[in-house]
Amino acid sequence: DAGVIQSPRHEVTEMGQEVTLRCKPISGHNSLFWYRQTMMRGLELLIYFNNNVPIDDSGMPEDRFSAKMPNASFSTLKIQPSEPRDSAVYFCASSPRLAEGETQYFGPGTRLLVL
Amino acid sequence: GDSVTQMEGPVTLSEEAFLTINCTYTATGYPSLFWYVQYPGEGLQLLLKATKADDKGSNKGFEATYRKETTSFHLEKGSVQVSDSAVYFCARLTQGGSEKLVFGKGTKLTVNP
Repeated sequence: DAGVIQSPRHEVTEMGQEVTLRCKPISGHNSLFWYRQTMMRGLELLIYFNNNVPIDDSGMPEDRFSAKMPNASFSTLKIQPSEPRDSAVYFCASSPRLAEGETQYFGPGTRLLVL
Repeated sequence: GDSVTQMEGPVTLSEEAFLTINCTYTATGYPSLFWYVQYPGEGLQLLLKATKADDKGSNKGFEATYRKETTSFHLEKGSVQVSDSAVYFCARLTQGGSEKLVFGKGTKLTVNP
């Protein structure tokens, strides 16, 4: 099993540019989660999907952030326009189903630096 | 609201020392509880979990017991190794059937030879 795949692993961009992060969940997993990790705020859930449908996006910081899951094997997190305060490590995670106690499997993360 | 509090780091130990990292959660129901570990440059990995009161999760020599009386889920290991150096996160599920995980701030552990 390849695990959760994220791309790119590192992204450096300039303020105002559009950034797109990509995630491929583990095959057969029905739930997908996007997290952001910073030193100041720790690990925050941004949004999660179940069966490709957004269930809770209350953690999305503002309208500059958007996420999609067009099919069961692909999701994107887009930031437009990007700002320096968006610099963080963004993790994607998936789990087999929406059930109590089910484990989430994390990808390696995308380290984003906005200059 | 639902929250998790874990001890501040960093923690520095010598090899073969005993490890305890404290974790407490807000007492809204009986949520599933987790410990995740993050090695440098990697994503989080599940270390162990417990889904109901008095359960003990264990893995790789680490243990944690779900204590509803003290709303705690402390992580312990009897003899740490250099390879255990990582950041450890305690987490709980939120209430209401949601699958949202709430994480503690993380505790960085460094084990010296």
